[in-house]
Amino acid sequence: EAQVTQNPRYLITVTGKKLTVTCSQNMNHEYMSWYRQDPGLGLRQIYYSMNVEVTDKGDVPEGYKVSRKEKRNFPLILESPSPNQTSLYFCASRALSYNEQFFGPGTRLTVL
Amino acid sequence: TQLLEQSPQFLSIQEGENLTVYCNSSSVFSSLQWYRQEPGEGPVLLVTVVTGGEVKKLKRLTFQFGDARKDSSLHITAAQPGDTGLYLCAGPNAGGTSYGKLTFGQGTILTVHP
Repeated sequence: EAQVTQNPRYLITVTGKKLTVTCSQNMNHEYMSWYRQDPGLGLRQIYYSMNVEVTDKGDVPEGYKVSRKEKRNFPLILESPSPNQTSLYFCASRALSYNEQFFGPGTRLTVL
Repeated sequence: TQLLEQSPQFLSIQEGENLTVYCNSSSVFSSLQWYRQEPGEGPVLLVTVVTGGEVKKLKRLTFQFGDARKDSSLHITAAQPGDTGLYLCAGPNAGGTSYGKLTFGQGTILTVHP
């Protein structure tokens, strides 16, 4: 089944404790992206990647890191999480030649 | 950064009513997309409009792209409880490379009561 998977789905952590949210897609998509969703703000793009080893900032990259060493994986790294990073995070992927993005199920992160 | 403003933010209607959701910007977009999101899930693409003045229909949903490509609307005819969800518009941001950067509106929460 074609899908985007994220892990973990739920995470509660404390300020300053490094964490990684994994994202994997099995559709051989070149493009992958991370978003955060907060009430009343819609989805805001954090980082995106047009292909392996090619990443670029979205609208809200501060406090986040990403890497794209393999085509299928695009992990989101929070080196020192803070409470304002409490949010619902979505990973998405698409083929470069087609504009439909496929979203993962989301990761709900709480930073205490 | 190009912004997209959606209105209304909340819409609560009875089954059978018609409704329109608007997505507006002061910037020109090369295309606009509409997504629907249900609780606990990621957004799912409904449609992409590309040409100014374009109208696309998806069963009871009609999508229109403004002539100047600065706005779009989603009209639902005879809404049903199954239409309940969060509707989001999105467009590629000119500041990013080749459709890499995507801007979303803040969303419209639609509730259709039986």
